Amino acid sequence: EVQLVESGGGLVQPGGSLRLSCAASGFIFSNYWMHWVRRAPGKGLVWVSRINNDGTSTNYADSVKGRFTISRDNARNTLYLQMNSLRAEDTAVYYCALYSSLSYWGRGTTVTVSS
Amino acid sequence: DIVMTQTPLSLSVTPGQPASMSCKSSQRLLHSDGKTYLYWYLQKPGQPPQLLIYEVSNRFSGVPDRFSGSGSGTDFTLKISRVEAEDVGIYYCMQSIQLPLTFGGGTKVEIK
Repeated sequence: EVQLVESGGGLVQPGGSLRLSCAASGFIFSNYWMHWVRRAPGKGLVWVSRINNDGTSTNYADSVKGRFTISRDNARNTLYLQMNSLRAEDTAVYYCALYSSLSYWGRGTTVTVSS
Repeated sequence: DIVMTQTPLSLSVTPGQPASMSCKSSQRLLHSDGKTYLYWYLQKPGQPPQLLIYEVSNRFSGVPDRFSGSGSGTDFTLKISRVEAEDVGIYYCMQSIQLPLTFGGGTKVEIK
């Protein structure tokens, strides 16, 4: 059974940093592209970033480019999102999702950026 | 960026009755590989999104056959043949032919 479990969210002040993790199991993690998607309160889904299966290729939404970094550790079956220079508008539930079709999603981790 | 527009914003449906919703893209979603990269997701209250339909009309594993997707080019439709109470939530379409991946604003389905 595919499982994706996010962690690392919390309350952070504007300008601060957080690192999100997504622990994967139930599939061969190193074979698949992975994504981060977020949903701000009262808003819809927004794609954030993706990484290829071996971590050599990454892409970002314009709104996070230069501030967020996606990475992965295939030995640990874990996906990461390093978030720096956080803004109030980054407040959201962050989901990791599997493959280009976003076939499976984790339950999400909540990031709140507020002073 | 490709803009995805969903209508209606909300639907109130009697259990057992059909429901239909639309998704229009600002660009064609047909790839040179012959596939059309249009997906439908349902986010039930308090849950993460779940994939319902991939590449316009293919039901994902475990998705009931009351859900069906259709369309081509820039116009797509999700239909529920007989709505059940468990179908409540927000339905999103998404395109992945071009980065950034973009989602529609969602159609909220409620039960009368």
